[in-house]
Amino acid sequence: GAGVSQSPSNKVTEKGKDVELRCDPISGHTALYWYRQSLGQGLEFLIYFQGNSAPDKSGLPSDRFSAERTGGSVSTLTIQRTQQEDSAVYLCASSFTGGPITTEAFFGQGTRLTVV
Amino acid sequence: QQQVKQSPQSLIVQKGGISIINCAYENTAFDYFPWYQQFPGKGPALLIAIRPDVSEKKEGRFTISFNKSAKQFSLHIMDSQPGDSATYFCAASSGSGYSTLTFGKGTMLLVSP
Repeated sequence: GAGVSQSPSNKVTEKGKDVELRCDPISGHTALYWYRQSLGQGLEFLIYFQGNSAPDKSGLPSDRFSAERTGGSVSTLTIQRTQQEDSAVYLCASSFTGGPITTEAFFGQGTRLTVV
Repeated sequence: QQQVKQSPQSLIVQKGGISIINCAYENTAFDYFPWYQQFPGKGPALLIAIRPDVSEKKEGRFTISFNKSAKQFSLHIMDSQPGDSATYFCAASSGSGYSTLTFGKGTMLLVSP
């Protein structure tokens, strides 16, 4: 696609439910990143994929959070047993990384998650 | 430990004025310093970026000033316009083969007409 696409745009879920957030990166981009944006807290790194593997999961806040990427393209971020503190905007970004070359990261519009 | 500190949190500038946002970093391995602009309901978009081999980079009305010894960099918006009203994030990353960014907490800029 022309840009990074995320779905859904908004998600309201009940505390304790599981949610899945989807990211379609720019075609051909090898690297994919998930960030979380909370009010007044900037953007917090969650996980990075290169192809289908995740060499850096250091930002995942707990074992309730997991992510996968299939076919070197679409990625899904799953939050199990959601808590109110999980409410935030979840942003996905992609970039091309090949050898010494890394392009800028392009962001999607985000998924606003509200846990009630 | 916050690795990129951004100030101010919010800024009001009159149309035509200069907007200045400052960032400081701690990790000397950082070698890429972008600024992102974010409008409400949208994802951040790259505005301008600099690497530490230069002290200044200018693109139109936007200028990054970089001070390697002080580990500080700033964004200057000249002739600020109401359309520049947005949240601005500084960020930093190191050249380890991928570009996971460490972001500042953001500055909400309002340019009054």
